[in-house]
Amino acid sequence: ETGVTQSPTHLIKTRGQQVTLRCSSQSGHNTVSWYQQALGQGPQFIFQYYREEENGRGNFPPRFSGLQFPNYSSELNVNALELDDSALYLCASSLEQEIYGYTFGSGTRLTVV
Amino acid sequence: KNEVEQSPQNLTAQEGEFITINCSYSVGISALHWLQQHPGGGIVSLFMLSSGKKKHGRLIATINIQEKHSSLHITASHPRDSAVYICAVSGGSNYKLTFGKGTLLTVNP
Repeated sequence: ETGVTQSPTHLIKTRGQQVTLRCSSQSGHNTVSWYQQALGQGPQFIFQYYREEENGRGNFPPRFSGLQFPNYSSELNVNALELDDSALYLCASSLEQEIYGYTFGSGTRLTVV
Repeated sequence: KNEVEQSPQNLTAQEGEFITINCSYSVGISALHWLQQHPGGGIVSLFMLSSGKKKHGRLIATINIQEKHSSLHITASHPRDSAVYICAVSGGSNYKLTFGKGTLLTVNP
């Protein structure tokens, strides 16, 4: 079985630009959660997609948006990038939300300059 | 006060030592997760538990639901165990994870 794949691994963007991060969930998993991890901090919940519907959102502004596709892969879009958006973005997939635990991707390191 | 508190923040050990990392939480949970994060960022799930004790190789995780406390033990530590160990709890309608800040473990040969 394949794990969770995130792309790209690293990205540098300019303040004000838009970015799309991608996550391929583990085979058979129908739930994808996105987390933001600032340097030296624990990850913070952005939102979750379950069977193509948003299923909960953390304390992030609307310029953070997402999508889940019929094959359960997912995208995280961030508009109007700010310097504070620089972080590691982690994707975690699971089956039926968390019954069997989570599988994490290696993350996308986003730097906003 | 954070919902998930870990201690210690940093831990240095000699190879072969027994290691304990503690986690306390203040909210109702459906499960507690122990995760390992290596430099570069990737996270590996070690344990998911809602009661009792689990063991995998040299790793043991315990949880006391009444006291809202969990411990991760590493027996016969090895330099390859050096990583950040993160405690996270899940709950709510979407089982989202709330993370502690992590414990940086360094095991010296």
